[in-house]
Amino acid sequence: DQQVKQNSPSLSVQEGRISILNCDYTNSMFDYFLWYKKYPAEGPTFLISISSIKDKNEDGRFTVFLNKSAKHLSLHIVPSQPGDSAVYFCAASAQGGSEKLVFGKGTKLTVNP
Amino acid sequence: DAGVIQSPRHEVTEMGQEVTLRCKPISGHNSLFWYRQTMMRGLELLIYFNNNVPIDDSGMPEDRFSAKMPNASFSTLKIQPSEPRDSAVYFCASTRTRTNTEAFFGQGTRLTVV
Repeated sequence: DQQVKQNSPSLSVQEGRISILNCDYTNSMFDYFLWYKKYPAEGPTFLISISSIKDKNEDGRFTVFLNKSAKHLSLHIVPSQPGDSAVYFCAASAQGGSEKLVFGKGTKLTVNP
Repeated sequence: DAGVIQSPRHEVTEMGQEVTLRCKPISGHNSLFWYRQTMMRGLELLIYFNNNVPIDDSGMPEDRFSAKMPNASFSTLKIQPSEPRDSAVYFCASTRTRTNTEAFFGQGTRLTVV
């Protein structure tokens, strides 16, 4: 049973436009959420996180939104750049991040010039 | 800092052979995690250590898998005997604290069991 779901395996957007990556979770105990970015032949790298006490966290071009009632979070990238092309993983944890991370299967983002 | 270092980067072995994957965490990090990535299951946590002590190994698939952390700067993941279904990319990650947050990942070991 997948507790963290990324239902879109891939997404393609034009350079300069907004990229929206979605993630749903089922475990109501999750209270800390993270996004990781992964380039081919590299390990995932931390991108941005959000605690359940917030509904939005922003870092430059990246914003994560959390809708606790819907158990849904999204990552917005504005404006998208070709260098953003990568696989994006959503991850969740309970106990403020002290419990193990549960990852989604990832969404491959392609930003076309 | 060189980051998390994993070796080998690629490993091809025959079914039934023993495989050992190695990891050097970032100096000063207290927690170390082993993950496996497959197309079917995505990224799964296999085991994690805090201060060299295994905390949660519930993700280890079966007894063929074992992990050790003899000191703060080295960990191994061993598969014996290996099977084709073990083929995956294995990642090691480390964090400064016990939490998973903002874990730093190594480049991974791509294991192919034929």
